[in-house]
Amino acid sequence: GAVVSQHPSWVICKSGTSVKIECRSLDFQATTMFWYRQFPKQSLMLMATSNEGSKATYEQGVEKDKFLINHASLTLSTLTVTSAHPEDSSFYICSPGQGHPEAFFGQGTRLTVV
Amino acid sequence: ILNVEQSPQSLHVQEGDSTNFTCSFPSSNFYALHWYRWETAKSPEALFVMTLNGDEKKKGRISATLNTKEGYSYLYIKGSQPEDSATYLCADNTDKLIFGTGTRLQVFP
Repeated sequence: GAVVSQHPSWVICKSGTSVKIECRSLDFQATTMFWYRQFPKQSLMLMATSNEGSKATYEQGVEKDKFLINHASLTLSTLTVTSAHPEDSSFYICSPGQGHPEAFFGQGTRLTVV
Repeated sequence: ILNVEQSPQSLHVQEGDSTNFTCSFPSSNFYALHWYRWETAKSPEALFVMTLNGDEKKKGRISATLNTKEGYSYLYIKGSQPEDSATYLCADNTDKLIFGTGTRLQVFP
């Protein structure tokens, strides 16, 4: 099965700093990557869809200037949380959109902003 | 139903017990329903993709049914084992994946 590697698995950062989360597809080419987040006691919610070589599309209510997505290659998509604040503390997880859509996910990143 | 809802929120069962959970979803414009098993510190694992009304799928001791007219799906686990302990998520895939909050299952030896 497809392997998706997401790093880091957890990160603690100071308020105002930026954090980059990487998602790599290890054995297939992903032209699309879905990024989700999950706040405590809530469901996973789609934040944005990254597309290799073009701009990402963001869901309503998600600030594109705060959550920078880069999908420059077919094996790597990154999500950067810029100027992070405590309210950005959440669980972030990626899922490639190829082959068997919605079948594979990264391991997730637990972000805590202090 | 406007959102995807799962019940119960959590469940504790003894090893060997059979159990089931419910996923309710909007029944209009249905396309597909996904079930996942999500163990702590691991990636969600896809269990089933259900598309047709009346679908029944099975994977080992786990099975799922689908009723698109009334907007629900059941997941059954027969003879629960401690390794079945996980959060079970369903997601409606009509336009994009809309997840429920999951059912957290703990199976005690």
